[in-house]
Amino acid sequence: DGGITQSPKYLFRKEGQNVTLSCEQNLNHDAMYWYRQDPGQGLRLIYYSQIVNDFQKGDIAEGYSVSREKKESFPLTVTSAQKNPTAFYLCASTPIAGADTQYFGPGTRLTVL
Amino acid sequence: QKEVEQDPGPLSVPEGAIVSLNCTYSNSAFQYFMWYRQYSRKGPELLMYTYSSGNKEDGRFTAQVDKSSKYISLFIRDSQPSDSATYLCAMSRTDSWGKLQFGAGTQVVVTP
Repeated sequence: DGGITQSPKYLFRKEGQNVTLSCEQNLNHDAMYWYRQDPGQGLRLIYYSQIVNDFQKGDIAEGYSVSREKKESFPLTVTSAQKNPTAFYLCASTPIAGADTQYFGPGTRLTVL
Repeated sequence: QKEVEQDPGPLSVPEGAIVSLNCTYSNSAFQYFMWYRQYSRKGPELLMYTYSSGNKEDGRFTAQVDKSSKYISLFIRDSQPSDSATYLCAMSRTDSWGKLQFGAGTQVVVTP
């Protein structure tokens, strides 16, 4: 089955630790995105990538880092510099760069203890 | 002021009723409009995509765009308990590649 997978579904982190969230897609989509969702605030864009080995900051990139070494993979690292990392993280992709119709993965719930 | 405003609800309706959802926006540069459905603790699912003023229908769903008033709507006819979810509007500008602005989402509860 084609789709977007995110792992793990739930993740717990101690303060001061970095943690990496996985996003994989087998849809052969060019562009991939990371969003953060907090209650009452909708989705906010963290980083996005149009092609392999290239990515751009979104609206709230501080405290996060990404890589795009393979077309199908776009991992997100939440660093200790992110002051309020507890949130629901969503990965999305689009078939071609510039397309608006984004398809989302199931999400990862990150909780900082 | 947020660029996209959406009433968070919850909006509670009886089964079979019409659900009416809307978003307002402030930037006239938005040209493409989407509605997503999100079940609890799941990723959003694209429901409707429109790029012009007017109506677009797909089964029980109708999306309406009024660019002159900067207002978009989603109507769900013959609502079912399975329609209980959060509905997110999203929109994008022609000069902002693939970057969507989302509303905060409206929680809908359809009671049997």
